[in-house]
Amino acid sequence: AQKITQTQPGMFVQEKEAVTLDCTYDTSDPSYGLFWYKQPSSGEMIFLIYQGSYDQQNATEGRYSLNFQKARKSANLVISASQLGDSAMYFCAMRVMTGNQFYFGTGTSLTVIP
Amino acid sequence: DAGITQSPRHKVTETGTPVTLRCHQTENHRYMYWYRQDPGHGLRLIHYSYGVKDTDKGEVSDGYSVSRSKTEDFLLTLESATSSQTSVYFCAISESRIYEQYFGPGTRLTVT
Repeated sequence: AQKITQTQPGMFVQEKEAVTLDCTYDTSDPSYGLFWYKQPSSGEMIFLIYQGSYDQQNATEGRYSLNFQKARKSANLVISASQLGDSAMYFCAMRVMTGNQFYFGTGTSLTVIP
Repeated sequence: DAGITQSPRHKVTETGTPVTLRCHQTENHRYMYWYRQDPGHGLRLIHYSYGVKDTDKGEVSDGYSVSRSKTEDFLLTLESATSSQTSVYFCAISESRIYEQYFGPGTRLTVT
């Protein structure tokens, strides 16, 4: 069975500091993709970053990077230089290649403190 | 931004009534998905479509049906709404089964 686990229901970070949001996953499929989404209080889901299971380097998109540790089955999101606009819910998701489904974690609420 | 709209955006209905939610895309993407979002559960897949008239069940499909007669439209129907179906419903699209999904703005459904 496929599973995504986010163990941090809520996180706080000081503005301009870096923060890591944890995500672990479980799958027996050797080919999969890992995604992070942001959901601000307005409710929309915004795609942030993608990491493929065969990618050799960690994905980066601007201030977002994905710390991919395959042996530990973790795909943590790192946000550098936090901004007030980063306050939101963050969801980790996984897609395995043998199916059409995405599996989402329960999310982490991030609050950036001025 | 991906061209995805959902209608209605908000709906209040009574237990036992049928409800249809519509997802419309202008991106010509093959894959379309319906999720529900509830506190403590994240997003859970209800149904998805991998082409016109091609649909399959997700993990929480009981009480829901879908139809896709055109590439651009994916309909979610609650045949007889129950209070447990009170939720926020998101539609998503994907160009390919390996690419990221893009989400619509969501529909808040309340069943009284």
